[in-house]
Amino acid sequence: AQSVSQHNHHVILSEAASLELGCNYSYGGTVNLFWYVQYPGQHLQLLLKYFSGDPLVKGIKGFEAEFIKSKFSFNLRKPSVQWSDTAEYFCAVNAPGTYKYIFGTGTRLKVLA
Amino acid sequence: ETGVTQTPRHLVMGMTNKKSLKCEQHLGHNAMYWYKQSAKKPLELMFVYSLEERVENNSVPSRFSPECPNSSHLFLHLHTLQPEDSALYLCASSRERTGDGGEQFFGPGTRLTVL
Repeated sequence: AQSVSQHNHHVILSEAASLELGCNYSYGGTVNLFWYVQYPGQHLQLLLKYFSGDPLVKGIKGFEAEFIKSKFSFNLRKPSVQWSDTAEYFCAVNAPGTYKYIFGTGTRLKVLA
Repeated sequence: ETGVTQTPRHLVMGMTNKKSLKCEQHLGHNAMYWYKQSAKKPLELMFVYSLEERVENNSVPSRFSPECPNSSHLFLHLHTLQPEDSALYLCASSRERTGDGGEQFFGPGTRLTVL
C-alpha cells in the first residue's frame, strides 16, 4: 500500500538554525509530491510541490525540497529558520491521473526566538 | 468570503444523533474532498467529488454519507457515529477535473466530538 513517512514528529530549533525535515514515500510509479504547512490557528496551505523537471524545487518563505527518486525521498529544507516558521509540516504524495492524496503524519516544528 | 469555508467549526453529538457538516468553496474549483484528521495519524482521504460526481470512496463506514449538490458545496451527513469517529474533518478543493494532482485548498475544519 502507498504510504508516506515523516520521521521527525517534533523538532525544536533556535532561530537561524538550519532545517531539514525528512519525507519518504512508498509508491512504485511516477508521483507528484507536496509539502503543506499549517501555522497555528490557520488552514493547511501549500508550501511547495514537485511534478516533474528540476528535482530541486523552491517554495514560499525560503523553503526548498529535493526529490531523490532513488531514495523515494522529498526532504524539506530551509537554511535559516525564523520564529514565524513555527508550524506543522505535512508531506503528501499523489499518483498522477488520480485524486488520491496520501499524507504523512506531520512534523511539529517549534522555533525558539 | 473567499477560499474554503466549513460549518460548524465545532460539533458535539451523541451516538444516536444525525448531523451534517457543510463545506463551501468560493474558488470556482471542480473537485472537492473530505478528509479525517485524527491525532498522531495521517490525514485520511474519505471522499472525492469531481464535477458533483463521486470519484473516490475510501472504504468509509456507511454512517458517513457525502453529498455534493453542486461544484461549490459539499456535505457530510453523520448518523449513528462512534466515539472513535471524533476527529477534525477537513474539506478541500482543487481546480483540476482529471485528477492531475493539483494544489488543494483546505478549509479550517470541523472539530467533531462524539459522546
